[in-house]
Amino acid sequence: KNEVEQSPQNLTAQEGEFITINCSYSVGISALHWLQQHPGGGIVSLFMLSSGKKKHGRLIATINIQEKHSSLHITASHPRDSAVYICAVSPVNTGNQFYFGTGTSLTVIP
Amino acid sequence: NAGVTQTPKFRILKIGQSMTLQCTQDMNHNYMYWYRQDPGMGLKLIYYSVGAGITDKGEVPNGYNVSRSTTEDFPLRLELAAPSQTSVYFCASSYFLRGAQYFGPGTRLLVL
Repeated sequence: KNEVEQSPQNLTAQEGEFITINCSYSVGISALHWLQQHPGGGIVSLFMLSSGKKKHGRLIATINIQEKHSSLHITASHPRDSAVYICAVSPVNTGNQFYFGTGTSLTVIP
Repeated sequence: NAGVTQTPKFRILKIGQSMTLQCTQDMNHNYMYWYRQDPGMGLKLIYYSVGAGITDKGEVPNGYNVSRSTTEDFPLRLELAAPSQTSVYFCASSYFLRGAQYFGPGTRLLVL
C-alpha cells in the first residue's frame, strides 16, 4: 500500500503556464514536505507544512489536513523548473519515519 | 558550509562483497537518515539516528548496518552485497524532529 499518492505522474507544460501537482495521503501526519529532485539527482527541500499555505517566490504550497491533501503550485513556469517534485509526510506515532510519494516529473518547454 | 557530503559517488560491487557508504554533515544536526531510491519508487528509509550513539531501523533495514559515533558522521555498511541492493542511496540530516531535511548528493551503487 502507498501511504502517499501523487498526481499526475508526468506533466509537460509550456513556459509561463500555471502548474498544479497534487498529493494525497492516508495517515495522520504532523507535517508534509515538498521536495525537488533535479535532473542530476540532487534533492532539495522546498516546503514543510502543517497547516494552511506557504509561498516562496513562484512556488505556493497548500495543505488541507481534514481532506488529507496538499497541492504544489508553480506560477509562470520556466524551463528551469523542470524536475521531479516529491511529496513526503511525517506520520504521527512512528518516530522519525517519513513516507514518500513516487514523485511527479515536470518538464517545462520553452 | 559543505552541508551533507557522501562518498563515493558511484561504486560497482560484486555479489558478496562489503562496503561502507560514508556520510558527513557540518550543520550540527542531531537527526540523520539513510534512504534508498529505486526507479519508479519513492524514497525508502533504511536507518535513522537521533543523535550520537543512537540509531534505529527504518522501513527497509535488512542487509544494512549503521553506526553513529559522532554528530557529524553516519556511515552505512553493506556486509554481503546482493543485486537487490542496487540503488541510489541518499543520506540526509535535519535540525528538528521531522523537520526539513538536507540531502547529500547520493551514491549510485551497482551490485553485479
